[in-house]
Amino acid sequence: QKEVEQDPGPLSVPEGAIVSLNCTYSNSAFQYFMWYRQYSRKGPELLMYTYSSGNKEDGRFTAQVDKSSKYISLFIRDSQPSDSATYLCAMTPEYGNKLVFGAGTILRVKS
Amino acid sequence: GAVVSQHPSWVICKSGTSVKIECRSLDFQATTMFWYRQFPKQSLMLMATSNEGSKATYEQGVEKDKFLINHASLTLSTLTVTSAHPEDSSFYICSASPVRTYGYTFGSGTRLTVV
Repeated sequence: QKEVEQDPGPLSVPEGAIVSLNCTYSNSAFQYFMWYRQYSRKGPELLMYTYSSGNKEDGRFTAQVDKSSKYISLFIRDSQPSDSATYLCAMTPEYGNKLVFGAGTILRVKS
Repeated sequence: GAVVSQHPSWVICKSGTSVKIECRSLDFQATTMFWYRQFPKQSLMLMATSNEGSKATYEQGVEKDKFLINHASLTLSTLTVTSAHPEDSSFYICSASPVRTYGYTFGSGTRLTVV
């Protein structure tokens, strides 16, 4: 079993839809959680960063962490075709240590 | 803020030659940088952790003598692919972890093609 599980998709939604992306993990020591967006042939772009449990909102993006369930989510509101990309979750037990990544979910937003 | 600059963005080299990739933290000091390799349609694979002023820590299965990492200053880490072969062709990405409030940031990646 992988430390971090993420459905690779692809997930296809119409423009304007609310997108829900999720990851589950097995290591209860994880405390720092990140979501990245990666376009083809580009480096990952940090979208959201959260510490421990709770919610965080930034524009159209909301990140949720439920440590009791070992489950994290990223919500994208009013999705746009430009949001079409691969979304990666990543986490680490101590800040500065190496990240453990999910497999990435391919998102396609159709206009 | 917290920008990581990576160069070159793409490079083509002949088999048997060496290629150096640079990763710079532009507006913060990075005592630790990470080097990844990514194959098409796959997630990132950590190759090594680069520590300023000391030897890099390589992940299991990564050849230390082929992938030389140097982290000589708090803003620069380099990855040198030595005696490159076609199977080394890949997308290489570096990352650093700025202050605790920010999250890890990545470079734009280097596409290496060995012919």
